[in-house]
Amino acid sequence: QKEVEQDPGPLSVPEGAIVSLNCTYSNSAFQYFMWYRQYSRKGPELLMYTYSSGNKEDGRFTAQVDKSSKYISLFIRDSQPSDSATYLCAMSAIGGATNKLIFGTGTLLAVQP
Amino acid sequence: DSGVTQTPKHLITATGQRVTLRCSPRSGDLSVYWYQQSLDQGLQFLIQYYNGEERAKGNILERFSAQQFPDLHSELNLSSLELGDSALYFCASSVTTGNLYGYTFGSGTRLTVV
Repeated sequence: QKEVEQDPGPLSVPEGAIVSLNCTYSNSAFQYFMWYRQYSRKGPELLMYTYSSGNKEDGRFTAQVDKSSKYISLFIRDSQPSDSATYLCAMSAIGGATNKLIFGTGTLLAVQP
Repeated sequence: DSGVTQTPKHLITATGQRVTLRCSPRSGDLSVYWYQQSLDQGLQFLIQYYNGEERAKGNILERFSAQQFPDLHSELNLSSLELGDSALYFCASSVTTGNLYGYTFGSGTRLTVV
C-alpha cells in the first residue's frame, strides 16, 4: 500500500464549477501538507501548504486537513480553464535531518470553457 | 522561471548506456533533491544533498548515483540504462535541510531509453 493515495482522474468540469481534489495517507507522522500544481511539460509549483489539521484559504483555493481521518482536500472555487493541470498532494513528517516530501500520483484536472 | 535550472531538457539514449543529468539550484539554496516521475508511480524521491553531503536516500537504484559539488550544483548519473528508466527526472532545491514547507522544482529532464 502506498503511503499517499490520490485519485488520478482525469477530472473534467465546466468553467465556474467548484472542484474538490483529495488525498488519503497512512503515515500518522505526517504533519506538513502541501498541494502542488503541475502544468504539462513543467515542474511542480507549490500552490498551498498547511500544518497539522485545519483549513487554509488563499483566493479561490482552500486546503483542508483532517488528521483524524488521514484525509486532505483542495477546493478550487470558480474554476478557470487556466486551472487545467495536474494537482499533486505532498506531505512530510516533522523532525529528522531531511524533509523529503512524499507525493501522491496526481489528479489531472481539465476545466472546460 | 523557478530559478532551478536543469539540463538537458530532453535526452534520448540506448539501453545499456550512461547519462548525466545536471541541476543548478536556486541562488541561496543549499539543499538539492532528485525525484523521478513516471506515469504509474508519480513523483518518487531518489536522493537529497545538503551543502555537498548526502542527507537522505529514497528509492534510488544502485545503477544511479549523484553528487553535489562545491558550487552547489548537482549531477545525477544513470548507468546501464533500461527501458524502464524512461521518465521525467526533476531536481528541486530549498534553503535548508529543515525546510518543511515545500521546495522549488526545476522544469525537469525527460529521459527516453530506446
